[in-house]
Amino acid sequence: QQPVQSPQAVILREGEDAVINCSSSKALYSVHWYRQKHGEAPVFLMILLKGGEQKGHEKISASFNEKKQQSSLYLTASQLSYSGTYFCGTEDTDKLIFGTGTRLQVFP
Amino acid sequence: ETGVTQSPTHLIKTRGQQVTLRCSSQSGHNTVSWYQQALGQGPQFIFQYYREEENGRGNFPPRFSGLQFPNYSSELNVNALELDDSALYLCASRDDRVGTQYFGPGTRLLVL
Repeated sequence: QQPVQSPQAVILREGEDAVINCSSSKALYSVHWYRQKHGEAPVFLMILLKGGEQKGHEKISASFNEKKQQSSLYLTASQLSYSGTYFCGTEDTDKLIFGTGTRLQVFP
Repeated sequence: ETGVTQSPTHLIKTRGQQVTLRCSSQSGHNTVSWYQQALGQGPQFIFQYYREEENGRGNFPPRFSGLQFPNYSSELNVNALELDDSALYLCASRDDRVGTQYFGPGTRLLVL
């Protein structure tokens, strides 16, 4: 029931791009994306609603394919501040089920 | 800043004791959720309250209980603490118009 994310970990040089995938075994109506830095609370990045919606701001965007029950987060021209663990979240009767997480590290 | 606050920030308890954690949600957000996050894991849903009524619960035993108050504050109570209860406890204030959840900074609980 927990969404599965891939890859589990990513190491990048500053300026490189990355894609994080989130896959669910259940039908998706919305997907949430969060970033959590070590020792801190998760920070909301974006929410995608049913309908193949794609959202983004600046260099972080995401897509949502409800037929495939998948979402992908795109990080373009990564910055040091992008380091952290990324979680997707899927809603199940209003409760948020977090994915397995993807640890991303950006080095200078 | 999310406008969601939690207290205390850290807490040390011994096995068998009881603990109460507090959360203050964003004004106007009628839904609050509580999560447990063990080290190296993702947040696990404990339960959710809407307008002072519990309306969803995860796989946590009854010794985990909660309250929500009309002033957008809420509590998580844990009785008979066990060592495995050591974790970061997060509350999240939900904007019901779009479903977005905003997390507080968390309370780190250590059970010895």
